[in-house]
This record gives sequence, structure tokens and C-alpha cells, in this order.
Amino acid sequence: NAGVMQNPRHLVRRRGQEARLRCSPMKGHSHVYWYRQLPEEGLKFMVYLQKENIIDESGMPKERFSAEFPKEGPSILRIQQVVRGDSAAYFCASSPFFSSGNTIYFGEGSWLTVV
Amino acid sequence: KNEVEQSPQNLTAQEGEFITINCSYSVGISALHWLQQHPGGGIVSLFMLSSGKKKHGRLIATINIQEKHSSLHITASHPRDSAVYICAVWRSSGGSNYKLTFGKGTLLTVNP
Repeated sequence: NAGVMQNPRHLVRRRGQEARLRCSPMKGHSHVYWYRQLPEEGLKFMVYLQKENIIDESGMPKERFSAEFPKEGPSILRIQQVVRGDSAAYFCASSPFFSSGNTIYFGEGSWLTVV
Repeated sequence: KNEVEQSPQNLTAQEGEFITINCSYSVGISALHWLQQHPGGGIVSLFMLSSGKKKHGRLIATINIQEKHSSLHITASHPRDSAVYICAVWRSSGGSNYKLTFGKGTLLTVNP
């Protein structure tokens, strides 16, 4: 049973380009979370999704950021018109059940560098 | 003040030493995770606790719900334990939804 798969592991984008980060949850998991880890800072919640639904996007910047988890395929975190401040590690996690304190499994992370 | 505070921020130990990392939180929670992150690497959940104590190999985690405090202990530390250890709590985000809130992490370096 493969773990949470994220790709790409490392991504370099020029300012103004788009970044797409993908996350395939563990088999059987229908709950996906995205977190951002800025340099020298802790992890911050961005968005919680279930299949075809955004449940909680309170941690997502209002502009340029969007997330989806379609019925088929991986979850996608999309950052439009990237700026230097978007450089960070983006972690995806998944869980099998409702998010009330269940064990959560993290991916290896996607490191975005904006130049 | 952060909702989840860890101490110390940095910890250097000699191989074989007993290590304790502390986590205090100021919000109501349903459970607490201790996570491990190696430099440039992914994140692994070591423990999830809602009460009492758990042990896995050389690692022990305890939680005191009344005092809103948890500790992670490493016995007979080894250089391969060098990593960032992160405390994270599941807290309600409204309705029946919960989300993880993280401490800033403790960087542990174990020297041979």
C-alpha cells in the first residue's frame, strides 16, 4: 500500500508563472489536507478537501491559490502568478475517515522555489 | 502567543542521553500528534495521543489533558534521532470539522 505521493518533489518557477502541486492520497483515503511550511516557520493549515468538495479553506490565501480533489485523480494545489513569498515546502496529508482526530499520513512534500 | 508552544527550540545531546521535548497548548483538542521531520524530508507521525502514555521502541509520549501539556521522550538517543520534532493538535475549526495546529518544532541534534 503506497503512502501519500506528492509530485513534483522540487519545482522551480519564475515570478508570474503557475505552479501545480499534485497529491495522491493513500489507497482508500478520501480526506486530503494541504499544509505550507515557510522557511524558518512552522507548518500552517491551508485547505481540507474530500472528494469533489472543499470542506475548509480558511488557511488558503484568498488570491492566486486554489485546490481541488476531483472524483478521479490526485488532489491539485494550484498557485497562479507565483511570487517569491510563495517559496516554501507544501505538504499533503490524507486520512481515511472524518477529521476528528484520526491518524494522518503525510507525503514527502513539494519544495517550491520562486526565482 | 502561539496556540501550540514547544520547548526547547533547539536541543543538542550526546549519544546515549535521555531527551525530553515539551509541548503546551492553549486550546481544547481532540488529540495530539508528535511528528518527526528530517532535514529536507517528509513528515512522519510518531504518535497520536488523546490520553495517557504511548511507547514505541525508544520513544515515549505522554499527555496530560487537564494541564494541556505533552512530552516526547527519547531514551538512549542516537545520531539517527537527529531531526525536527513537531507537536500538532487536532482542534475544532467550527461545526464538526477539525484541523491540525502545529508547534514550531524542536531541532534535535544528537552527536556521536
